[in-house]
Amino acid sequence: AQKITQTQPGMFVQEKEAVTLDCTYDTSDPSYGLFWYKQPSSGEMIFLIYQGSYDQQNATEGRYSLNFQKARKSANLVISASQLGDSAMYFCAIYSNTGNQFYFGTGTSLTVIP
Amino acid sequence: DAGVIQSPRHEVTEMGQEVTLRCKPISGHNSLFWYRQTMMRGLELLIYFNNNVPIDDSGMPEDRFSAKMPNASFSTLKIQPSEPRDSAVYFCASRPGQGIDSPLHFGNGTRLTVT
Repeated sequence: AQKITQTQPGMFVQEKEAVTLDCTYDTSDPSYGLFWYKQPSSGEMIFLIYQGSYDQQNATEGRYSLNFQKARKSANLVISASQLGDSAMYFCAIYSNTGNQFYFGTGTSLTVIP
Repeated sequence: DAGVIQSPRHEVTEMGQEVTLRCKPISGHNSLFWYRQTMMRGLELLIYFNNNVPIDDSGMPEDRFSAKMPNASFSTLKIQPSEPRDSAVYFCASRPGQGIDSPLHFGNGTRLTVT
């Protein structure tokens, strides 16, 4: 079985600062994908970034980067130069072909302070 | 490029009534998922389809829930009869492939309130 743990229910960051949202995972599959989603107060779920288990380099998408530490089974999301519009819930998820479904964490609520 | 389209956005109904939620996945996506989100339980997978065929419906809470995908461009989730505890946001999501690198693309959700 797969499992995602997000231990930070809420985080605060000053505008223009960087913030790291933690995500640890548990899987026995050698091949898996890790995903981050953003859910603003309007409710939609927005795909942000993907990291494959075999990728040697950390994924980056604009101001989002993924700090992937395979041995520690962590896939932390780093948001650089925070903006007020980054205030939202953030969910980490894992997918493997063996599990054949996505497993989501409980989410972290990020508030960007002006 | 249109995303996943769900309707209605909001649904308010009385206990005992039938509720039908609709979803149009992104064209070309061959997997479709129905999720339910509540504060207490987070995101729960209800059912998913590959190539219009239901693969895993173990998350469907009761016989009151049913889902269909008659073709590649349309799916429904039906609750009959509805109960107050069904109140939640229901998301439909699709993905283009079945590999580990294929993300879910979510619709905007249907907020269901059962009184």
